[in-house]
Amino acid sequence: DTEVTQTPKHLVMGMTNKKSLKCEQHMGHRAMYWYKQKAKKPPELMFVYSYEKLSINESVPSRFSPECPNSSLLNLHLHALQPEDSALYLCASSPGGGELFFGEGSRLTVL
Amino acid sequence: AQSVTQLGSHVSVSEGALVLLRCNYSSSVPPYLFWYVQYPNQGLQLLLKYTTGATLVKGINGFEAEFKKSETSFHLTKPSAHMSDAAEYFCAVTLNTDKLIFGTGTRLQVFP
Repeated sequence: DTEVTQTPKHLVMGMTNKKSLKCEQHMGHRAMYWYKQKAKKPPELMFVYSYEKLSINESVPSRFSPECPNSSLLNLHLHALQPEDSALYLCASSPGGGELFFGEGSRLTVL
Repeated sequence: AQSVTQLGSHVSVSEGALVLLRCNYSSSVPPYLFWYVQYPNQGLQLLLKYTTGATLVKGINGFEAEFKKSETSFHLTKPSAHMSDAAEYFCAVTLNTDKLIFGTGTRLQVFP
C-alpha cells in the first residue's frame, strides 16, 4: 500500500464553522506533513510530525490546529478560518531524507 | 539556508521535442535534490531524486536529471515530450532534514 488518503476531497465552510481534514498512510513512514497550496503556487509547509511529535510549525495561525493520534493518522482541525485560507491542503508522509508521498489533497473553500 | 530557483515559470514544447526544465540550488553543504510533478487537481508525485553517488539520475516516465556541483544545477530533461507530460514541475531541496523547500514551479505545455 503506497497511498496517502485524504478526506474529504472538497470542503466548504463558513468562517464560524469548525471542521477537520483527515489523512491516513499505511506505509510505516515516520514523518507526516501538512502543506497549503494556493493556485499556481508551490506548496507551503505548515506542520511536520516526526514519530508522532510535532517537529516543525512554520508559524501557522492558531486557527489551524494539527493532531497526530497515531503513526498512521494526521488531522488538521480548522476553526474561525478566513476566506484567504481557501486553498488545496496537501498531506504527505515520508520515510525520511526528503522523499515525500503526497495525497491528492483536500480543496477547502471558506465563505 | 538552502533554496532553489526554477528559471522559467512556463515552458512550451512540441510533442517529440526535448524537454529541459531548469533548477539551480543554493546550499552551504551538499543538498538532497528532487523533482516532483503535479498533474491538475492532484497531489505531487516524485519523479526522481539525488542524494549521493551517481550524478546522473534517472526517474519515472523517461525523465532524468544531472547534479552539477560546479554549476549548482539540477536540470530536468526528457529526450522526447509526450502530451501526457503536460503538468507543473517542482524542484525541491533539503539538507536531509524533514524540511523540504520547493521552487516556484514550471508549467510545461506540450503542443501536438
